Amino acid sequence: DQQVKQNSPSLSVQEGRISILNCDYTNSMFDYFLWYKKYPAEGPTFLISISSIKDKNEDGRFTVFLNKSAKHLSLHIVPSQPGDSAVYFCAAASSGSARQLTFGSGTQLTVLP
Amino acid sequence: DGGITQSPKYLFRKEGQNVTLSCEQNLNHDAMYWYRQDPGQGLRLIYYSQIVNDFQKGDIAEGYSVSREKKESFPLTVTSAQKNPTAFYLCASSVSGQDYAGYTFGSGTRLTVV
Repeated sequence: DQQVKQNSPSLSVQEGRISILNCDYTNSMFDYFLWYKKYPAEGPTFLISISSIKDKNEDGRFTVFLNKSAKHLSLHIVPSQPGDSAVYFCAAASSGSARQLTFGSGTQLTVLP
Repeated sequence: DGGITQSPKYLFRKEGQNVTLSCEQNLNHDAMYWYRQDPGQGLRLIYYSQIVNDFQKGDIAEGYSVSREKKESFPLTVTSAQKNPTAFYLCASSVSGQDYAGYTFGSGTRLTVV
């Protein structure tokens, strides 16, 4: 049973436009959420995170929104750049657990020049 | 520079052989993790260790073994009991405790069984 779901395996956007990547979760114990970015043949790198006490966190071109009632989070990239083309993983953790992250299946973002 | 080193980058194994993947970190992190990535799937947790000389099974531990004799090292052995070992393996580490700064990942090892 997948507790973290990324239902869109791929997304293409034009350079300069907004990219919106979505993530849903089912475990109500999750209280911390992260986004990772991964290039081929490399390990994921941390991008941005959000605690359940907030509904928005911003870092430069990247903003994460959390809707706890819908158990949904999204990552907005504005403006999108060709270098943003990568696989984006959503991850979630529960402060009650041993700090294990549960990952979604990833979304391949392609930013077209 | 601190980081995590996984070696080798590519590994080929014959069926029936055990193989060990190396993971070393110099970040002074207490916790270390092994994940497996298959095409179209998320990262699935194999084993994790919160402290030296202690480790726990993750979601897909069957056919794998680990050791944590040193804080810096968390090697993963893929045994002949693992039915589908061909995959991309990722090691990660994190600071234990309540500081949710996320994981630092290595660059991965691609294992192919021939």
